Amino acid sequence: NAGVTQTPKFQVLKTGQSMTLQCAQDMNHEYMSWYRQDPGMGLRLIHYSVGAGITDQGEVPNGYNVSRSTTEDFPLRLLSAAPSQTSVYFCASSSLAGAAGELFFGEGSRLTVL
Amino acid sequence: GENVEQHPSTLSVQEGDSAVIKCTYSDSASNYFPWYKQELGKRPQLIIDIRSNVGEKKDQRIAVTLNKTAKHFSLHITETQPEDSAVYFCAASSNTGNQFYFGTGTSLTVIP
Repeated sequence: NAGVTQTPKFQVLKTGQSMTLQCAQDMNHEYMSWYRQDPGMGLRLIHYSVGAGITDQGEVPNGYNVSRSTTEDFPLRLLSAAPSQTSVYFCASSSLAGAAGELFFGEGSRLTVL
Repeated sequence: GENVEQHPSTLSVQEGDSAVIKCTYSDSASNYFPWYKQELGKRPQLIIDIRSNVGEKKDQRIAVTLNKTAKHFSLHITETQPEDSAVYFCAASSNTGNQFYFGTGTSLTVIP
């Protein structure tokens, strides 16, 4: 199994550009989520989904959009990138099965906004 | 929302010594507390977790304790080895698992 796959691994954008970070999982997990990791701030939840067609906001959703059209995929969209969105982004999935459990993380995507 | 605080931010120990990392949380509804290890340039990986109906859990050299009354939980690593060097994150979640709140991380260095 590939687990959680994120693309791209590295990306440089100019302020105002848009892009999509892709995330796919092959574990049939209901729950998928996006985090950003900044130095000294840990991992902060951006958006999450508990199943296809269902998304919700986390701690820091502003400037990001998500959709969940299939169980496998959960793309994160930046519509107009800002330097404050320079970060490392992690996608994570989990099998809810009625209770919180292990998050399986992707390898991360390092985004730089100039 | 939940607020998770983690201390210390950095920790250096001699190989073979023990390391303790502490976290506090604010929301009494939180009842699932995992710990993740992140090696440099890698993804976070779960090393141990505990649920609120348990006070302590051990897995070889790693243990986690939970005090629900005081709203704090701790990670204990005994007989530390150089490969334990990494950043460790605590987290808290409610039973639904919809939102995880992470601490700010502890960078552990084990000196050979």
